[in-house]
Amino acid sequence: AQTVTQSQPEMSVQEAETVTLSCTYDTSENNYYLFWYKQPPSRQMILVIRQEAYKQQNATENRFSVNFQKAAKSFSLKISDSQLGDTAMYFCAFIHGGSQGNLIFGKGTKLSVKP
Amino acid sequence: NAGVTQTPKFRVLKTGQSMTLLCAQDMNHEYMYWYRQDPGMGLRLIHYSVGEGTTAKGEVPDGYNVSRLKKQNFLLGLESAAPSQTSVYFCASSYSTIWAGRTDTQYFGPGTRLTVL
Repeated sequence: AQTVTQSQPEMSVQEAETVTLSCTYDTSENNYYLFWYKQPPSRQMILVIRQEAYKQQNATENRFSVNFQKAAKSFSLKISDSQLGDTAMYFCAFIHGGSQGNLIFGKGTKLSVKP
Repeated sequence: NAGVTQTPKFRVLKTGQSMTLLCAQDMNHEYMYWYRQDPGMGLRLIHYSVGEGTTAKGEVPDGYNVSRLKKQNFLLGLESAAPSQTSVYFCASSYSTIWAGRTDTQYFGPGTRLTVL
């Protein structure tokens, strides 16, 4: 069974600093995608960034970037210049072709950005 | 574009009551999903649909039924609610899965908080 593990239940960072959230996953598939979703107190699930497994280049979206280590099955999220609005739960998620669209989620990391 | 919308936002039921949650999307997506989120957990898939008139079971389907009579709507039904179904329910949709060679990004609705007493 595919699993996604987020080993940091809670993290905090000072405003304007950089923080890295960890995620590891387990799969025997080669064709898959990885995602980071943000869930602020409003509860809405918002896509932050995605990575295709066949791409060696790490994905970036403005202040958000990933460190994708395929051999190690690691997919960490780096948030640069943290802002108060980044305070949220962050979920790592995985999907592969055999799952018919079933996103597998980690348990989440609660990130608090302090002023 | 409203994206994915869910009705209602909150609901309280008594054990044994029934209800239907409505999900609507205006992005012309083929695929739709229902997830539940429990405290300290990520989302888990209940049922999904790969097109109008089709449905399939996900990871935790027991106690739920679904219907996809129209492409833009996906209904989740609880026939006889139980306290174990107290949760936050999320609907999502996507254009396709990666089987079709396209990147699959699922877009989520705002969630429905359901409490079963």
